[in-house]
Amino acid sequence: KNEVEQSPQNLTAQEGEFITINCSYSVGISALHWLQQHPGGGIVSLFMLSSGKKKHGRLIATINIQEKHSSLHITASHPRDSAVYICAVHTGNQFYFGTGTSLTVIP
Amino acid sequence: GAVVSQHPSRVICKSGTSVKIECRSLDFQATTMFWYRQFPKKSLMLMATSNEGSKATYEQGVEKDKFLINHASLTLSTLTVTSAHPEDSSFYICSAPTQGSGGGYTFGSGTRLTVV
Repeated sequence: KNEVEQSPQNLTAQEGEFITINCSYSVGISALHWLQQHPGGGIVSLFMLSSGKKKHGRLIATINIQEKHSSLHITASHPRDSAVYICAVHTGNQFYFGTGTSLTVIP
Repeated sequence: GAVVSQHPSRVICKSGTSVKIECRSLDFQATTMFWYRQFPKKSLMLMATSNEGSKATYEQGVEKDKFLINHASLTLSTLTVTSAHPEDSSFYICSAPTQGSGGGYTFGSGTRLTVV
């Protein structure tokens, strides 16, 4: 069993839809990261969370430490949001990564 | 904010040659750098941890002589893939702890290596 599980693995949405990607983890963490990987491979760090909620533009990330769960929300999705979204947790000693959620937003 | 600049973003090399990937911390000192590898449709996997001025720590199964890591300064860590083979084709990414940001980590943008 992976230390970090993401769902769904693949997601197709119509432009404008509200999108949620979920991440559950089984280890104690000091922080959780959401990463965005574009088709060309480049990775962008979207959020680092240790508690609560963060918002940046149309992106919202939440974390529930007690439930060991985080969600990434995208409001008013756009085709340029199409990418792989990766959840990563840091235990204080090392990172564990989810396998990613491949999002395709159709115009 | 803190940035880790990773170069090159893409490289194609011939089998048997060596390729160097650089990660530079901009506006902060990276005493530690993590190096990851990603196989297609797989998670990022930690390869090694480099520390400035000392030998890198490699994860089990990672060949030290094949993946040479140098962390000679507080702002530069390099990964050299020696005698590259097609099976080394992968996506390589680095990350560094970011001082003064509450324990955050900054990721490089990654390097897509293709060995032909």
